[in-house]
Amino acid sequence: AQSVTQLDSQVPVFEEAPVELRCNYSSSVSVYLFWYVQYPNQGLQLLLKYLSGSTLVKGINGFEAEFNKSQTSFHLRKPSVHISDTAEYFCAVSVTPDDKIIFGKGTRLHILP
Amino acid sequence: EAQVTQNPRYLITVTGKKLTVTCSQNMNHEYMSWYRQDPGLGLRQIYYSMNVEVTDKGDVPEGYKVSRKEKRNFPLILESPSPNQTSLYFCASSFGRADTQYFGPGTRLTVL
Repeated sequence: AQSVTQLDSQVPVFEEAPVELRCNYSSSVSVYLFWYVQYPNQGLQLLLKYLSGSTLVKGINGFEAEFNKSQTSFHLRKPSVHISDTAEYFCAVSVTPDDKIIFGKGTRLHILP
Repeated sequence: EAQVTQNPRYLITVTGKKLTVTCSQNMNHEYMSWYRQDPGLGLRQIYYSMNVEVTDKGDVPEGYKVSRKEKRNFPLILESPSPNQTSLYFCASSFGRADTQYFGPGTRLTVL
């Protein structure tokens, strides 16, 4: 079965520092990859996605992610975080030919003043 | 306004009492999903639907039913709820599994 592993359940980081949230997936076949963000007491919204093409994907709010096929990873990065980035971040994968979408367990990003 | 709506937003019920959580989208999306979110477990897909009359099991379908009689609606049915179905439920829709999913506001269900 396909799986998505988010290696850190919580990540504390100081404001204006860089951050990387890690995501690994199990499939070696064609995949679509997503990062979603959930702000406190809200639903989820898309940050960015990788379907094909350039391995570096830019998203909203200054986030970017890099698809690494050999390491089956899709880590999310931001060069300088803000207090408003406090949220839970979910990595998700959709694998052909299945039509399921598998989410990771999430990473809580805590911004320290 | 493009949106996914869910009702009710909050529900407290008792074991065995059948309930339905409605989900509706106004974006003409083909793909619709139900997820449950539990602390430490992330989101887990319960059922999904590729189009009208086409539904399939996600990773945690036991104890749930769905139907897709119209493109815009995708209700989640719990025929005999149990306490282990206490959770936060999200409906989502998109044009396909490669596309951005739009999530509803969530339904917090408590089964006593």
